[in-house]
Amino acid sequence: GEDVEQSLFLSVREGDSSVINCTYTDSSSTYLYWYKQEPGAGLQLLTYIFSNMDMKQDQRLTVLLNKKDKHLSLRIADTQTGDSAIYFCAEARSLDDKIIFGKGTRLHILP
Amino acid sequence: NAGVTQTPKFRVLKTGQSMTLLCAQDMNHEYMYWYRQDPGMGLRLIHYSVGEGTTAKGEVPDGYNVSRLKKQNFLLGLESAAPSQTSVYFCASSPAAGVNEQFFGPGTRLTVL
Repeated sequence: GEDVEQSLFLSVREGDSSVINCTYTDSSSTYLYWYKQEPGAGLQLLTYIFSNMDMKQDQRLTVLLNKKDKHLSLRIADTQTGDSAIYFCAEARSLDDKIIFGKGTRLHILP
Repeated sequence: NAGVTQTPKFRVLKTGQSMTLLCAQDMNHEYMYWYRQDPGMGLRLIHYSVGEGTTAKGEVPDGYNVSRLKKQNFLLGLESAAPSQTSVYFCASSPAAGVNEQFFGPGTRLTVL
């Protein structure tokens, strides 16, 4: 497809793991990113993965990359109320060097 | 470092009025971008610049103009505002090489009546 696709909403109980999924468009994209947007603020880079990696772990965050299926996921372990935000998947498209963003997944934390 | 700043934070315009949104970055980044964010639409690229004196059209450029006269500033102009331009506008900048992380400003909320 032409778009970076991700589900719009996800609800998770506090303390559980959150998994946000994304499919991207360009199998030769160099970098894949996860950005976080808190209410009333701009986006901030949360983590990224280079295309020659399958997995990247950074404290509570785990990024998995399946290049064959063009699938990217973000796992947040021990989800906390401060994780409530919109998470954007993005790819650095090699075709034209542009960063293409998904529409964002709103993560809601249940008590 | 202030990072990326945007002026103003909020603005209300009447249809047909004009205005300019200012973006400034103090990180010496080559690339700068203007996006709009609308509910259910995610981020859409309006215009971007790969260096001082250069600009290019993004995904939704109609009704907007931009200028990059100085490396640190990227201006977004609306010549004749329309209600369809009611949105939250984000500026971002990134270095020319490396991971290409984009640094975002806090946004400008624009309402056109």
